[in-house]
Amino acid sequence: SAVISQKPSRDICQRGTSLTIQCQVDSQVTMMFWYRQQPGQSLTLIATANQGSEATYESGFVIDKFPISRPNLTFSTLTVSNMSPEDSSIYLCSVASGFDYGYTFGSGTRLTVV
Amino acid sequence: TQLLEQSPQFLSIQEGENLTVYCNSSSVFSSLQWYRQEPGEGPVLLVTVVTGGEVKKLKRLTFQFGDARKDSSLHITAAQPGDTGLYLCAGAFPPGKLIFGQGTTLQVKP
Repeated sequence: SAVISQKPSRDICQRGTSLTIQCQVDSQVTMMFWYRQQPGQSLTLIATANQGSEATYESGFVIDKFPISRPNLTFSTLTVSNMSPEDSSIYLCSVASGFDYGYTFGSGTRLTVV
Repeated sequence: TQLLEQSPQFLSIQEGENLTVYCNSSSVFSSLQWYRQEPGEGPVLLVTVVTGGEVKKLKRLTFQFGDARKDSSLHITAAQPGDTGLYLCAGAFPPGKLIFGQGTTLQVKP
């Protein structure tokens, strides 16, 4: 199954700034998914990133706040823009694992906004 | 709105006890997946159930998919401290979207 390298693993950021999270996959994949996991909660899908087209955002998430790039079939970035303390969460990327219909997740980026 | 109701949200038991986690929805899923997540890591797939009524076993873990493909359960027999973690069910919708339940935090005390 795919192996994902996600970075940074954690960061502490000032409010009003932006952070870009990177995900590198060891194989070519059509779709990459970005999730948010708020403290003590489950995962919520932010958007689906396809190479060569704009990302598709879920309800409650907008491109201006969470711009996504997908320059090739192995890489994607998620930017959290104009951060506020409410953006403090774990952000994870995911791809289809190619095994048993499942998905492989990155180890996550723990973001704290102060 | 597609929702997955997972229960219980917290479970603290003694080593050797049995437990069951439930995942229910009003929606029909193409498949339902169970993940386990440990602190500082992403979720790791345990199993996928696809066919209504399907039962899958993974050592001491038994997974069941409801006949109508709207609900699922995870049963752990003789829980061990190594089973401690966050268990997540996720319903799959084409073309690759996952909807997660609220998660069950399991603590198994020695």
